[in-house]
Amino acid sequence: AQSVTQLDSQVPVFEEAPVELRCNYSSSVSVYLFWYVQYPNQGLQLLLKYLSGSTLVESINGFEAEFNKSQTSFHLRKPSVHISDTAEYFCAVSDLILTGGGNKLTFGTGTQLKVEL
Amino acid sequence: NAGVMQNPRHLVRRRGQEARLRCSPMKGHSHVYWYRQLPEEGLKFMVYLQKENIIDESGMPKERFSAEFPKEGPSILRIQQVVRGDSAAYFCASSPGGGAGNEQFFGPGTRLTVL
Repeated sequence: AQSVTQLDSQVPVFEEAPVELRCNYSSSVSVYLFWYVQYPNQGLQLLLKYLSGSTLVESINGFEAEFNKSQTSFHLRKPSVHISDTAEYFCAVSDLILTGGGNKLTFGTGTQLKVEL
Repeated sequence: NAGVMQNPRHLVRRRGQEARLRCSPMKGHSHVYWYRQLPEEGLKFMVYLQKENIIDESGMPKERFSAEFPKEGPSILRIQQVVRGDSAAYFCASSPGGGAGNEQFFGPGTRLTVL
């Protein structure tokens, strides 16, 4: 079975400062990794994903994450955060359902990013 | 193209009543997933459906919970005889196909409160 660990439940940071949200996973097979963002009272939105190829993946709003197989990590980083980045961030790993070809996601417990002035 | 629709957004039930949660996937999406988010926790997979078929229900509680995705109409998550521990946010996601390359698009969720 796969699992995802997000060690930091809350990360406070000042605006324009850099931030790193940590994510570690465990799996016995090749994985696909995702970061989702959830704004208050909304559903989850995909931020970025790693399927294969370059281990560094980027989002359109300045976030990036690096897949590190040896450390089984997929940490999320942003060099300069904005107030609007305040949200909850979930790391997830894909558990490919062989029957029917589905894509079951296993989520971490989330990290609340709070950006302050 | 409208996103994934879920209704109701908020649902209050008393212990012992039934809760019916509806999910309309994005147009053209034939794969539906249901997840549950308990307070202070991440989302937990419940069930994966394709049209008229339950593909994987390994995350569903053995009793009181059922799901369907009929040929016509929305997917329904049904909880019979609700208990306080069922209070949670229930999210539906849809994708156009299977496989890890297909992004799951999430609805806004239904927040169930059991009194």
